Amino acid sequence: EDKVVQSPLSLVVHEGDTVTLNCSYEVTNFRSLLWYKQEKKAPTFLFMLTSSGIEKKSGRLSSILDKKELFSILNITATQTGDSAVYLCAVPTGTASKLTFGTGTRLQVTL
Amino acid sequence: GAVVSQHPSWVICKSGTSVKIECRSLDFQATTMFWYRQFPKQSLMLMATSNEGSKATYEQGVEKDKFLINHASLTLSTLTVTSAHPEDSSFYICSARGGGGITEAFFGQGTRLTVV
Repeated sequence: EDKVVQSPLSLVVHEGDTVTLNCSYEVTNFRSLLWYKQEKKAPTFLFMLTSSGIEKKSGRLSSILDKKELFSILNITATQTGDSAVYLCAVPTGTASKLTFGTGTRLQVTL
Repeated sequence: GAVVSQHPSWVICKSGTSVKIECRSLDFQATTMFWYRQFPKQSLMLMATSNEGSKATYEQGVEKDKFLINHASLTLSTLTVTSAHPEDSSFYICSARGGGGITEAFFGQGTRLTVV
């Protein structure tokens, strides 16, 4: 059975801190891994990773994939209160490439 | 990124009535659309996958007669919650994906359904 596991489940940090969110997976026919940010409504796309070791970067957010160890990390540096959200990791599975989501990591950034 | 529009954003309906939710891809052709359900503080749970012009594939435990999905065109899929009950109250989200290769799925804004 395909599985995506995220850790930690929840995290509270102070503004300015750096955080690392983890996502491990066990899927057959791995193709890609996606990160999403969900605030009050639907998830917004952050990154799609397909190759090991190549960092993707967008502002203070960056992500990298390790296909040998079957995990990805999402880094957020100099966190701001606006980064408070649930961060979801997902992997396309099956012939229809439906997304299997992890449970998410709830990040709260305080002043 | 591509735009997926979901309508309505929220709806309150009486128990026993049916509710239709629309999901449209505005600037691309969505060969596949996915419908998710999300309960508070939980992750997205896939309900069904629909491909244009064919019957939807439902996940285990999802009643296909209760959650009717129609994907009549490459830009529109609908989810109808039939004979809704309070336990159907949830956040429903659609996502759409174009064809071919490795592509990310784009999400609609979600629909918060409350059945009273």
